[in-house]
Amino acid sequence: DAEITQSPRHKITETGRQVTLACHQTWNHNNMFWYRQDLGHGLRLIHYSYGVQDTNKGEVSDGYSVSRSNTEDLPLTLESAASSQTSVYFCASSEGTSGGPSNYEQYFGPGTRLTVT
Amino acid sequence: AQRVTQPEKLLSVFKGAPVELKCNYSYSGSPELFWYVQYSRQRLQLLLRHISRESIKGFTADLNKGETSFHLKKPFAQEEDSAMYYCALSSPNDYKLSFGAGTTVTVRA
Repeated sequence: DAEITQSPRHKITETGRQVTLACHQTWNHNNMFWYRQDLGHGLRLIHYSYGVQDTNKGEVSDGYSVSRSNTEDLPLTLESAASSQTSVYFCASSEGTSGGPSNYEQYFGPGTRLTVT
Repeated sequence: AQRVTQPEKLLSVFKGAPVELKCNYSYSGSPELFWYVQYSRQRLQLLLRHISRESIKGFTADLNKGETSFHLKKPFAQEEDSAMYYCALSSPNDYKLSFGAGTTVTVRA
């Protein structure tokens, strides 16, 4: 079955280290998104991509980067991890070739819990 | 700027009682609106979208453009409705979502 996976599921790292969170989907979706989930803030968009070689900044992009070299993957990199980046990170994907956003449900991964000490 | 507000962080109701989750938005124009739900130990998933005007698991949501609201309602809550609920908004020509802070619903027996 097609799906969206994230790895690792849990990660503890130290302040200042570079960390990469993986996201892989097998639906051949054009659109991929990264969110962080924090109490009191809900889900906030970090970066998103509407196709290969396309990347865009979201609401809270500072300190994060993404690259889209193929359809299936959108890795999220924390350049120099900070304690403020301790959070749960969700990846999502959706179709998006035509019809408008109302037709395209976002499918979410299981999440990665990142702790920066 | 677009913004979604869910004023209630926590909502506790008894089984069989009505439940209403509030969602207000700010947006210049006509947005697309959604409700997503996250059950315990499950992934976040779409519950319903305003454009389809459907009822899912007994939930309905009406878009009120005058009050800029999209409240989620269910006449008789069930224990399996206990979950985190997020209201979300997108521009008509865009695919990214803006989420509210979420409401945790607990349905007590």
